[in-house]
Amino acid sequence: EAQVTQNPRYLITVTGKKLTVTCSQNMNHEYMSWYRQDPGLGLRQIYYSMNVEVTDKGDVPEGYKVSRKEKRNFPLILESPSPNQTSLYFCASSFLGQGVSSGGYEQYFGPGTRLTVT
Amino acid sequence: DAKTTQPPSMDCAEGRAANLPCNHSTISGNEYVYWYRQIHSQGPQYIIHGLKNNETNEMASLIITEDRKSSTLILPHATLRDTAVYYCIVRAPTGNQFYFGTGTSLTVIP
Repeated sequence: EAQVTQNPRYLITVTGKKLTVTCSQNMNHEYMSWYRQDPGLGLRQIYYSMNVEVTDKGDVPEGYKVSRKEKRNFPLILESPSPNQTSLYFCASSFLGQGVSSGGYEQYFGPGTRLTVT
Repeated sequence: DAKTTQPPSMDCAEGRAANLPCNHSTISGNEYVYWYRQIHSQGPQYIIHGLKNNETNEMASLIITEDRKSSTLILPHATLRDTAVYYCIVRAPTGNQFYFGTGTSLTVIP
């Protein structure tokens, strides 16, 4: 079954304790991305990756790191979490087109990780 | 990538068509229009996308104006399970960032 998995689904941690949220996809997608969702703010992109070893900042990258060593995995790292990073996090993946004639590609989303930092 | 404007909320009677508008007046020629929805706090779900022509699938229809500056997502016979937040996004196939915005909260009323 084609899917994006995230772990853990729920996490409560304390300020400053490093954590990693894993994301994995089994569809051989080039593009992967992380979003956070906060009440009233919709989904905001944190980081994205166009392919292995290629990552770039989204709209809200401060306080986060990512890596893309393998095509299927795209972990989100919080080196020193703070309470303002309490949020619902989603990982997503999709194919990338080669031009407008290649068509559009849907993003597949993971189930979400609810993080609380106290 | 261009950004979009959507009404914050809409209601629709069960069984009637739900028409959700989206304005994307700065869309460029290589950008597709995508629609997603999010039910409660689940991961967003893809609905449909299109470039110029109107599109239809088993979930919905997408009507894009001739100048491509706006579009409408149509759920032909809305059910209670269609209550969700609907996001309209424009993005090129080789585009990097996704801008979801805050979407339209659709409530289907019995």
